[in-house]
Amino acid sequence: EAGVAQSPRYKIIEKRQSVAFWCNPISGHATLYWYQQILGQGPKLLIQFQNNGVVDDSQLPKDRFSAERLKGVDSTLKIQPAKLEDSAVYLCASSLLAGGPGSYEQYFGPGTRLTVT
Amino acid sequence: AQSVAQPEDQVNVAEGNPLTVKCTYSVSGNPYLFWYVQYPNRGLQFLLKYITGDNLVKGSYGFEAEFNKSQTSFHLKKPSALVSDSALYFCAVRDQAGANNLFFGTGTRLTVIP
Repeated sequence: EAGVAQSPRYKIIEKRQSVAFWCNPISGHATLYWYQQILGQGPKLLIQFQNNGVVDDSQLPKDRFSAERLKGVDSTLKIQPAKLEDSAVYLCASSLLAGGPGSYEQYFGPGTRLTVT
Repeated sequence: AQSVAQPEDQVNVAEGNPLTVKCTYSVSGNPYLFWYVQYPNRGLQFLLKYITGDNLVKGSYGFEAEFNKSQTSFHLKKPSALVSDSALYFCAVRDQAGANNLFFGTGTRLTVIP
């Protein structure tokens, strides 16, 4: 089966500019996650969707970050305006419907490496 | 609050020798524990998980992990290391009451020396 797809793979922008990342989860996976991975750290959850509803966005900096998952499939994460500290790899992951035993494994995409200058 | 500690930033092991990557956790209830591996410029790949049952869990690529409740540990092991095992390894935890959110450690870089 096809894995989680993300684009672009790399992005370089100047501070105060905006940027958007796209994710297509594994077919049939109801739950989608966006993580931020800063160099030298483990991934940190930004937002979790179940179908097209938000389950947890407590760690999302809502003054500059936004995300949507229209139609419960693809998702877009946006940063506007970007800051230097947003430089990181943004990982998208998906899993089966949360709550069942098969849902515990999250499958990750290759990530988007963002550099803010 | 949930947390994971990986006390070693770097582990070096000779090819063919056994390897251990350490992980300790803290959760309020019973833990669900995971190991993921990350190769350069690639996303995280699932290796294995502990949900319940046997304390020794077997996973992909010959890896296994031992759950120790009294020591709150979940160390990753492999009997004989390969050069291709060189990568960044992450331990993660969630509690049973959570929304399937994973809390990751800071990672351990494993280098297998030929």
